[in-house]
Amino acid sequence: EPEVTQTPSHQVTQMGQEVILRCVPISNHLYFYWYRQILGQKVEFLVSFYNNEISEKSEIFDDQFSVERPDGSNFTLKIRSTKLEDSAMYFCASSPRVATPLGYTFGSGTRLTVV
Amino acid sequence: KNQVEQSPQSLIILEGKNCTLQCNYTVSPFSNLRWYKQDTGRGPVSLTIMTFSENTKSNGRYTATLDADTKQSSLHITASQLSDSASYICVVSPSDNYGQNFVFGPGTRLSVLP
Repeated sequence: EPEVTQTPSHQVTQMGQEVILRCVPISNHLYFYWYRQILGQKVEFLVSFYNNEISEKSEIFDDQFSVERPDGSNFTLKIRSTKLEDSAMYFCASSPRVATPLGYTFGSGTRLTVV
Repeated sequence: KNQVEQSPQSLIILEGKNCTLQCNYTVSPFSNLRWYKQDTGRGPVSLTIMTFSENTKSNGRYTATLDADTKQSSLHITASQLSDSASYICVVSPSDNYGQNFVFGPGTRLSVLP
C-alpha cells in the first residue's frame, strides 16, 4: 500500500538553529499538509499546500515556518530559529482529491527535539 | 466552536476483552468522521471513515458506529490484542475533505495487558 514517507524519524537540534523536515507524499496525490503534535496534546494543523502554493495556514504557522515543494516528489517544512516549544512530532499528510474522504494518508512523523 | 471530545481519556483492559471508545462532536456542518489508530511515536493510521448516511462500519475487529442526530460515535474493539495498545483518535471533517478543516479529538489511550 502506498505510504507517505518522512525523514528523519528523529531530529535533535539546538535552540536557534534551522531544521528542514522532509516528506515524500504519495505520488498521485495533489493536496499536502503539515501538522504537529506536542507530546500529550491534540494534533494541530499547520499548513496546506496545493498547486505549488499555500492554500491555508493556521496561526501557528508564522514567519518562522515555510514550506516548499522543490521538485515533483519532496515536500519540506523549514523551521527557522527553533525554540524549545517547537519540540513536537511533525506529521506530513497527503490526499489525492477532496471529492472523497478516501485516500487521505498521514506519514509516520518526525520527532523534533529542541535542546 | 467546532470541537471533538473523547472518553475515556485512558483505558486499561486485559487481552481478549472487548472495549468501546466514545467520541462526541459539536462540528457543523458535518461531512465525515474518521477513527485513527496512533501507535506511540508514529503517525495516525485510518481505521474507518463514515459519512452522514452511514451508521456502522467495520474493519476487522474494529467496528465504528455513528449517530449523526446525537453527534456521537463509538469505536468497538473485539477480542483485544496486545498490538491494540495505542491512542485512538476521532477526527471530524466539517466540510469537503480538506485536511485543514479536520477537527481532532484528544484521543483515548488504550493499554492492553497480557
